[in-house]
Amino acid sequence: KTQVEQSPQSLVVRQGENCVLQCNYSVTPDNHLRWFKQDTGKGLVSLTVLVDQKDKTSNGRYSATLDKDAKHSTLHITATLLDDTATYICVVESNYNVLYFGSGTKLTVEP
Amino acid sequence: EAAVTQSPRNKVTVTGGNVTLSCRQTNSHNYMYWYRQDTGHGLRLIHYSYGAGNLQIGDVPDGYKATRTTQEDFFLLLELASPSQTSLYFCASSERDRVSNERLFFGHGTKLSVL
Repeated sequence: KTQVEQSPQSLVVRQGENCVLQCNYSVTPDNHLRWFKQDTGKGLVSLTVLVDQKDKTSNGRYSATLDKDAKHSTLHITATLLDDTATYICVVESNYNVLYFGSGTKLTVEP
Repeated sequence: EAAVTQSPRNKVTVTGGNVTLSCRQTNSHNYMYWYRQDTGHGLRLIHYSYGAGNLQIGDVPDGYKATRTTQEDFFLLLELASPSQTSLYFCASSERDRVSNERLFFGHGTKLSVL
């Protein structure tokens, strides 16, 4: 059973538009939640890490929320750029450094 | 600067071949991981280690061996490669007990094709 579900699977936006990516999970315990950006065929680059029961982070045009009660996280990208085209992966970290990965949301930013 | 370096970046072998994927981290991290990434799946954990000489089995270990020779080096071994092992392999390192955005690092990946 998939423990981390991301939606949508893919998303196309126009440059300058905002977008929201969703992550729902069933992992217990859910110590931390991370969002990664993965360019095609490349490694994963960390965008943000969320820790608290109800947490919010901001990193430039990226902002994220976490609600551990709902086991739900969102990643907001503001004023998208062409370079934002990538797959965004939600990762839930449980005990003993065990990581649970979502399949990712493939974002395409068009001119 | 923290880094995880994988080699080779690309590898092609034949069914039954012997392959070793290498990973080196300069982060002084205790934990190191090997994942495979396939279309339609999240990253799946093959093996991991929390220190030199230690090895833990992950979620998809069949057909793989691993060895952690030093704190820096973690190797993934495919002794009889099969086409089902064609995949993109990632190595990662992490540090326990510190929460920061820079705590978990991934390598750039090794693309393995088994013909």
